[in-house]
Amino acid sequence: AQSVTQLDSHVSVSEGTPVLLRCNYSSSYSPSLFWYVQHPNKGLQLLLKYTSAATLVKGINGFEAEFKKSETSFHLTKPSAHMSDAAEYFCVVTLYNQGGKLIFGQGTELSVKP
Amino acid sequence: ETGVTQTPRHLVMGMTNKKSLKCEQHLGHNAMYWYKQSAKKPLELMFVYNFKEQTENNSVPSRFSPECPNSSHLFLHLHTLQPEDSALYLCASSQAGGGTGELFFGEGSRLTVL
Repeated sequence: AQSVTQLDSHVSVSEGTPVLLRCNYSSSYSPSLFWYVQHPNKGLQLLLKYTSAATLVKGINGFEAEFKKSETSFHLTKPSAHMSDAAEYFCVVTLYNQGGKLIFGQGTELSVKP
Repeated sequence: ETGVTQTPRHLVMGMTNKKSLKCEQHLGHNAMYWYKQSAKKPLELMFVYNFKEQTENNSVPSRFSPECPNSSHLFLHLHTLQPEDSALYLCASSQAGGGTGELFFGEGSRLTVL
């Protein structure tokens, strides 16, 4: 079965420190992977996506993620957190062998302390 | 302005009421989606429409009735709902049935069923 697991339901960092949000996937096929962000009372917005090109993907607002096939991981990182990064982050996998159906992780809530 | 507009943003209804949620996209997409977002649960795909035709119904109870009159508009008609249906309902759109995984979300309609 294909799935995606976000290893932390909540992450808290101080402003200016690095951010690491962890995501592992399970797939028998080459997946496409995405990170979406949801700010309070807003819809989801695409941060970045991996579609079998470069394994290190850069997204908006200074975020990046690295696809590691050997570890089946797609962790999201940012060198220095900003207060405006506080939001819910979703790791998503899409499976072309299932008609492009998206599978969402349960989300990681990121808190940023001053 | 995300390009996907949902109305109303907030809705409170009794279990015997009939109401509708509306979604409109201004992005020229040909696929539209309804998702349900409940607290502490992954996003649940409810319905998918491609070129106005319903292509997926994810075992949604019949008290939720979608309608897609054209590629730009999507409705979710609600009747005799249950308190457990209280959630954020998100509309999204994409190109070509969502195979690239890039969805554009509205800000959601927060539904409370009393």
